Amino acid sequence: IAGITQAPTSQILAAGRRMTLRCTQDMRHNAMYWYRQDLGLGLRLIHYSNTAGTTGKGEVPDGYSVSRANTDDFPLTLASAVPSQTSVYFCASRPDRNSDTQYFGPGTRLTVL
Amino acid sequence: AQTVTQSQPEMSVQEAETVTLSCTYDTSENNYYLFWYKQPPSRQMILVIRQEAYKQQNATENRFSVNFQKAAKSFSLKISDSQLGDTAMYFCAFMKTQGGSEKLVFGKGTKLTVNP
Repeated sequence: IAGITQAPTSQILAAGRRMTLRCTQDMRHNAMYWYRQDLGLGLRLIHYSNTAGTTGKGEVPDGYSVSRANTDDFPLTLASAVPSQTSVYFCASRPDRNSDTQYFGPGTRLTVL
Repeated sequence: AQTVTQSQPEMSVQEAETVTLSCTYDTSENNYYLFWYKQPPSRQMILVIRQEAYKQQNATENRFSVNFQKAAKSFSLKISDSQLGDTAMYFCAFMKTQGGSEKLVFGKGTKLTVNP
């Protein structure tokens, strides 16, 4: 593994189902982020984590939850998916507070029917 | 709240020509960072260039340069000698500090097409 990986690459999901998007980084970065990208809206922050054991809400957190049990993994869970959560989801990480640059994973395309 | 505006949803340029993408932002903070990210059809988000607000000198990375006007809150991207591989969505982003975490605020993007 090199950098940030996300799984699955894409997924079609029935409304009401539970879904966890996985994100793993091998760079030992402290901070991690989840964004959603929608056509015409750019990327919007869902949740973030400054360091293992801590999480915070971003701009559009409703319907999503995250956990950060260790440094490497930052899963995003949709407890009961709805069609408005159809989007492309990006995970990102940043080394520490002395670094201003975020590095992005390849994204997960999620379709909720 | 900070906002980032990209007023050009789409642009096109001929190969080898120069193109400038516009970005304006709104903030009351004095210290911050600005970024341009490129997203080609592969979907990968790639950092193109970054600018620290306390630096007056405009950032340059090979064919990419910015025109940073702090007072006007403007951060445009100039691509010189455009190449076909520059075809992509370009996102301007502002980084603020909130609750101890540096968060990116993105514009809605500009779709750039480089024509042969």
